[in-house]
Amino acid sequence: KAGVTQTPRYLIKTRGQQVTLSCSPISGHRSVSWYQQTPGQGLQFLFEYFSETQRNKGNFPGRFSGRQFSNSRSEMNVSTLELGDSALYLCASSLQVLNEQFFGPGTRLTVL
Amino acid sequence: GIQVEQSPPDLILQEGANSTLRCNFSDSVNNLQWFHQNPWGQLINLFYIPSGTKQNGRLSATTVATERYSLLYISSSQTTDSGVYFCAEYSGGGADGLTFGKGTHLIIQP
Repeated sequence: KAGVTQTPRYLIKTRGQQVTLSCSPISGHRSVSWYQQTPGQGLQFLFEYFSETQRNKGNFPGRFSGRQFSNSRSEMNVSTLELGDSALYLCASSLQVLNEQFFGPGTRLTVL
Repeated sequence: GIQVEQSPPDLILQEGANSTLRCNFSDSVNNLQWFHQNPWGQLINLFYIPSGTKQNGRLSATTVATERYSLLYISSSQTTDSGVYFCAEYSGGGADGLTFGKGTHLIIQP
């Protein structure tokens, strides 16, 4: 069974731009969560989607948004990029909510 | 939400040595996971261990849910064991993502 996939793997943007990251969960998994990892703040929860609905959201500004499609694939969007948004963005999927999570390889975003 | 404390923050060992990594939690443990982050950033699942003991090759983990801690044991360390080890638990309180510890950075020297 294929693992969680994320595209693109690397991305370079400039301040003020917006970016969309994509995540395809493990087949059959209905919950998708997003995390941001930075050297200063560590791994932080962004949001979780289940059956196309956002169930939970971490403590991030409204510039961070996401959605989930009927096939469970998910996208996250960051608008008006800031230098501090440079990070590794990790997507995880699980069968149901509050289950074991499996992570993708991540998208490394650099904002210049 | 839950607080997760990992120790030690850094560990340098010679190949062949054994090690014990610890996670303490401020609240109930129900969905505890251990991960190894490889040099490319991917989090590799090691154990899903809300309670009890599990073993997988040279790695084993024990969670004592009543005392809110978990231990990861690595025996006969290899250089490929190097990296950062994280434990995580669901936050609770409405923000049900995983809360991670700051990690243990393990370096295995040949």
